[in-house]
Amino acid sequence: QQQVKQSPQSLIVQKGGISIINCAYENTAFDYFPWYQQFPGKGPALLIAIRPDVSEKKEGRFTISFNKSAKQFSLHIMDSQPGDSATYFCAAGDYKLSFGAGTTVTVRA
Amino acid sequence: GAVVSQHPSWVICKSGTSVKIECRSLDFQATTMFWYRQFPKQSLMLMATSNEGSKATYEQGVEKDKFLINHASLTLSTLTVTSAHPEDSSFYICSARDPESGYQPQHFGDGTRLSIL
Repeated sequence: QQQVKQSPQSLIVQKGGISIINCAYENTAFDYFPWYQQFPGKGPALLIAIRPDVSEKKEGRFTISFNKSAKQFSLHIMDSQPGDSATYFCAAGDYKLSFGAGTTVTVRA
Repeated sequence: GAVVSQHPSWVICKSGTSVKIECRSLDFQATTMFWYRQFPKQSLMLMATSNEGSKATYEQGVEKDKFLINHASLTLSTLTVTSAHPEDSSFYICSARDPESGYQPQHFGDGTRLSIL
């Protein structure tokens, strides 16, 4: 049973553009929602995370928007750079994490 | 920041052998570590939760006799893939939590690529 659904599967954006990735979760007990960035052959690295008492969190070019009533959250990558080309995973959980399927982002120079 | 190290980063071995993967928290003591498995172009699937000084808790469908987990100290957890076969070839990743930070976030190692011939 997939507890976190992520879309799109892949996206291509021009340098300087905005990348938007969406996730939806089922379990209302989840209280922690991180986003991870993964490069080929490497482990995931935490980008940014949010808790359900906050509707938005921004760190540099990365912003999480959180909609508790809709059980959805999204990652916005502003001013996308070629170095942002990677796979992004959303996750949700409490003690344990359930991961989305991943989104491969390609930033074209 | 919290650093998690995995060793080896890549291992190739013959079918039928057992392989041990180490996961270490380098600058904090981790009472809980997690083991994940990731197939190419797929997501991370949690295999088991490793608790220091007690038995690991396995996710549904994961063979505990196949994937032996030992968490003998606060900085080291090991995953042993016993009698490995080609279908066990995958990317294995561990994560750990710094208890000083509460129960999140999880910090991930760089993974171990296991190839069984």
